[in-house]
Amino acid sequence: KAGVTQTPRYLIKTRGQQVTLSCSPISGHRSVSWYQQTPGQGLQFLFEYFSETQRNKGNFPGRFSGRQFSNSRSEMNVSTLELGDSALYLCASSLEGSSGNTIYFGEGSWLTVV
Amino acid sequence: AQTVTQSQPEMSVQEAETVTLSCTYDTSESDYYLFWYKQPPSRQMILVIRQEAYKQQNATENRFSVNFQKAAKSFSLKISDSQLGDAAMYFCAYRSRSNYQLIWGAGTKLIIKP
Repeated sequence: KAGVTQTPRYLIKTRGQQVTLSCSPISGHRSVSWYQQTPGQGLQFLFEYFSETQRNKGNFPGRFSGRQFSNSRSEMNVSTLELGDSALYLCASSLEGSSGNTIYFGEGSWLTVV
Repeated sequence: AQTVTQSQPEMSVQEAETVTLSCTYDTSESDYYLFWYKQPPSRQMILVIRQEAYKQQNATENRFSVNFQKAAKSFSLKISDSQLGDAAMYFCAYRSRSNYQLIWGAGTKLIIKP
């Protein structure tokens, strides 16, 4: 069974550009969540989707957005990139979306903003 | 708001020895889940062990066990018979029953000495 797949794995963008990251959850998983990991701020929750609906959103500016498709695949978008957006972006999926379900993570997308 | 604290930025242990990683958390909720995740250099988050707050029995997974003290809001991870492959960052995380986001500690870097 394939794990959580994130694309692209590495990318470099210029300040002011926008970026879209993709996440394919484990087959059958309907909940997808996103996290940002930086050396300074650690791991921070971005948002969580279940059945195409955003159920939770972290404390990030409106430049960060996401969506989930009917096949549970998810994308997150960051517009007007800033240097501080350089981070590892982790996607995770879980089976039913119950808070007790085990969450499985992808290998992450490394974003560098120059 | 819930917080998770890992007070040990780095720990080292001799191969085959036992090491304990500390985690404390703060919450006003009574029903929640606690997790230990391992992040090796590949950066993929791997679930080590989980504990449901309403279960008094400490969780165990092979060489990994926890000491869950609900009243003290403490959740430490014990690794027995440490192996070189255990070297990684270890993160403690909290998830409430009513919310779907993981709240993370800052992490503990575990070094295994051969």
